[in-house]
Amino acid sequence: DQQVKQNSPSLSVQEGRISILNCDYTNSMFDYFLWYKKYPAEGPTFLISISSIKDKNEDGRFTVFLNKSAKHLSLHIVPSQPGDSAVYFCAARTDSWGKFQFGAGTQVVVTP
Amino acid sequence: DGGITQSPKYLFRKEGQNVTLSCEQNLNHDAMYWYRQDPGQGLRLIYYSQIVNDFQKGDIAEGYSVSREKKESFPLTVTSAQKNPTAFYLCASSLGFSSYEQYFGPGTRLTVT
Repeated sequence: DQQVKQNSPSLSVQEGRISILNCDYTNSMFDYFLWYKKYPAEGPTFLISISSIKDKNEDGRFTVFLNKSAKHLSLHIVPSQPGDSAVYFCAARTDSWGKFQFGAGTQVVVTP
Repeated sequence: DGGITQSPKYLFRKEGQNVTLSCEQNLNHDAMYWYRQDPGQGLRLIYYSQIVNDFQKGDIAEGYSVSREKKESFPLTVTSAQKNPTAFYLCASSLGFSSYEQYFGPGTRLTVT
């Protein structure tokens, strides 16, 4: 039973435009969310996170939005660059338990 | 240069053989994890260890075993009891089990035929 879902397996976007990646979760106890980025043949690397007490967190070109009532978070990449082409994983956990639940990932391809 | 190493990158085994995947970290992290990734699925937790000489089953531990005799090492054995062992295996570590950020190794792709 997947508690974290990324329903779009892939996303293609033009360089310079906005990439929007979506993630839905079912467990209302989740209170911390992260996005990881993964290049082929490499392990995922941490990108950005958000606590449930916030609804937005920004880091350079990356912004994560959290809508707790809808149990939905999104990652915005503006502007998209060719180096952003990678798989993006959404992850969530409860504060009282260290295990993360990961989504299936979204493959982003940024075209020139 | 601190990080997590996993070896080998690619591993091929015959069905019925046990195989051990290596994971080493020099980040001085207490907690270590093993995940499995299959196409179309998120990373699933196999085993985790909060501290040396201690480990717990994750969500899909059947057919796997681990040991944590040293802080920097957390090898995973895929036994012949694992029904579908072919997958991409990722090792990760974090400062502590409650730490928010996990650091991942490059992974090992295991193919069993």
